[in-house]
Amino acid sequence: GAGVSQSPSNKVTEKGKDVELRCDPISGHTALYWYRQSLGQGLEFLIYFQGNSAPDKSGLPSDRFSAERTGGSVSTLTIQRTQQEDSAVYLCASSQRGPHTDTQYFGPGTRLTVL
Amino acid sequence: SQQGEEDPQALSIQEGENATMNCSYKTSINNLQWYRQNSGRGLVHLILIRSNEREKHSGRLRVTLDTSKKSSSLLITASRAADTASYFCATVFSGNTPLVFGKGTRLSVIA
Repeated sequence: GAGVSQSPSNKVTEKGKDVELRCDPISGHTALYWYRQSLGQGLEFLIYFQGNSAPDKSGLPSDRFSAERTGGSVSTLTIQRTQQEDSAVYLCASSQRGPHTDTQYFGPGTRLTVL
Repeated sequence: SQQGEEDPQALSIQEGENATMNCSYKTSINNLQWYRQNSGRGLVHLILIRSNEREKHSGRLRVTLDTSKKSSSLLITASRAADTASYFCATVFSGNTPLVFGKGTRLSVIA
């Protein structure tokens, strides 16, 4: 079946502009995760959605970052007033249930470049 | 930080040799997972090992877990050029927390 998809694959924006990144998880997966990976670094957790529960936002680096998940499926990560340090690859993953028991399936990522 | 730490940061071997990567973590875990990443994009899940397991195999991959030492190792046997990638360990700590990734080991397999 179809895997996790993300769009756009690349995004170049100017400092101060807002951007929206989209993630389509695997159908039927209840958990969805956003991560950020800066050049040569490991993955930094941003936010986690599990079913209808309130999302775990503990990894969001500032209030310029927000995410929503509509209808328990598609998710959008929004970065307002982008800064150069926001440049990174943003990865989305989904799992059938939660992180305790399940493999996370990753999308190909969105490479964000803030000029 | 609860981050796992991979060791070494980079590893270069000849095709056919075995590659061993290690991961250490700081607090008790529910499970530990290994992922592979090619060309800085999406990650591919390799193996999940639970805290009550000591060893798992998948094809040419062997993962061990030593909870007393808070460490895990990933062994790739008979390496191939196609194994060239970055390898990350990720831990799920007790409680409903998401994966915490290390910074990875960059493996280069030279044909």
